[in-house]
Amino acid sequence: QVQLQQSGPGLVKPSQTLSLTCAISGDSVSSNSAAWNWIRQSPSRGLEWLGRTFFRSKWSNDYAVSVKSRINIKPDTSKNHFSLQLNSVTPEDTAVYYCVRGTYTSSYYYFDYWGHGTLVTVSS
Amino acid sequence: QSVLTQPPSVSGAPGQRVTISCTGSSSNIGAGFDVHWYHQRPGTAPKLLIYAFNNRPSGVPDRFSGSKSGASASLAISGPQADDEADYYCQSYDSSLSGWVFGGGTKLTVL
Repeated sequence: QVQLQQSGPGLVKPSQTLSLTCAISGDSVSSNSAAWNWIRQSPSRGLEWLGRTFFRSKWSNDYAVSVKSRINIKPDTSKNHFSLQLNSVTPEDTAVYYCVRGTYTSSYYYFDYWGHGTLVTVSS
Repeated sequence: QSVLTQPPSVSGAPGQRVTISCTGSSSNIGAGFDVHWYHQRPGTAPKLLIYAFNNRPSGVPDRFSGSKSGASASLAISGPQADDEADYYCQSYDSSLSGWVFGGGTKLTVL
């Protein structure tokens, strides 16, 4: 059974960097059939996919256009976890952040395991 | 404004069939990209309900089914139960945005 355990601060000041970590159990961050995503949810923006990291003979990332200039998602194979850094945050970045496994089955890609979510508030 | 459009709410009695629509466009569902469905109870994370149009993960009852037609998809619940009250979200890939997108969510009320 895959489990994703999130950690990180729930309050970040405007213009600073939001940092969250997701520890994986029951799978490997280096899996060839999975990708590791961050998705956030807010009343104003709904569910919003932010980006992912994955390994297919080398590490790759994909990022949402809306945050591409200020996001970084990194794997840590020694700890079997992955992290999110979102720079220059504003109150618009206030949301519940989820780490999520994306799974490939045949030609399909879907989000099958979700972390419990972390409410991150951007406020001074 | 979500890329995929869902009705804000639907309701139905236990003996009825309820459907939730998900309308996309030529850059997502209409382009043939997968559609998946999730449900979310208050205070919890979304949970996978249907993947690849009409496949249920282990443990999901067969009263849930999915379909697709053109640039739209639908989730059907045959005989909703009180425990099915939740928010339901569709999800696909959008080639214009080069990323995965969600519907705005539909709240199901069981009468």
